[in-house]
Amino acid sequence: AQRVTQPEKLLSVFKGAPVELKCNYSYSGSPELFWYVQYSRQRLQLLLRHISRESIKGFTADLNKGETSFHLKKPFAQEEDSAMYYCALKGGGSNYKLTFGKGTLLTVNP
Amino acid sequence: NAGVTQTPKFQVLKTGQSMTLQCAQDMNHEYMSWYRQDPGMGLRLIHYSVGAGITDQGEVPNGYNVSRSTTEDFPLRLLSAAPSQTSVYFCASIQPGGGYEQFFGPGTRLTVL
Repeated sequence: AQRVTQPEKLLSVFKGAPVELKCNYSYSGSPELFWYVQYSRQRLQLLLRHISRESIKGFTADLNKGETSFHLKKPFAQEEDSAMYYCALKGGGSNYKLTFGKGTLLTVNP
Repeated sequence: NAGVTQTPKFQVLKTGQSMTLQCAQDMNHEYMSWYRQDPGMGLRLIHYSVGAGITDQGEVPNGYNVSRSTTEDFPLRLLSAAPSQTSVYFCASIQPGGGYEQFFGPGTRLTVL
């Protein structure tokens, strides 16, 4: 079984402060991990995926297989980062199903 | 290229009524899925399809039916609406290969009275 845990429902930071959204997963094989974001009144969209090892909008996330984590980080939060963030896991192979965490609502205060 | 479209955007039903939520995509994606989004519960998979004529159940399939007669369309049918089905419903299609990004529709907000 695959499971994704986002321990924080709400996270509030001030503009310019570092932010870290936590994600832990449970999966017996080699997972693929994603972060999706939903801005107010917009549809969900992919933010980044671990296989790309990219930085999007200043966000990065590193897959730590030892700690089974995929935390999302940004050194200096901006007000426009306020959104709901979902961590998602895809099992290996041709199984396209994604398992989502319950989400973390990030608020960046001015 | 419209991506993933959903209709209606909003719907209010009475308990026991049936209705169909429409979903279409024009990206020729084989894989499509339906999720419901509830506060504190995240997104939960209702049903999914790996191609025309093939559907399967997700995490919370009870009370919902799906069909996939074409690659483009993946409607979700509520058989007899219940207040517990009040939710926001998202349809998504996936791009296999190249990262498996899921493309989401704008959502349908359903209220069952």
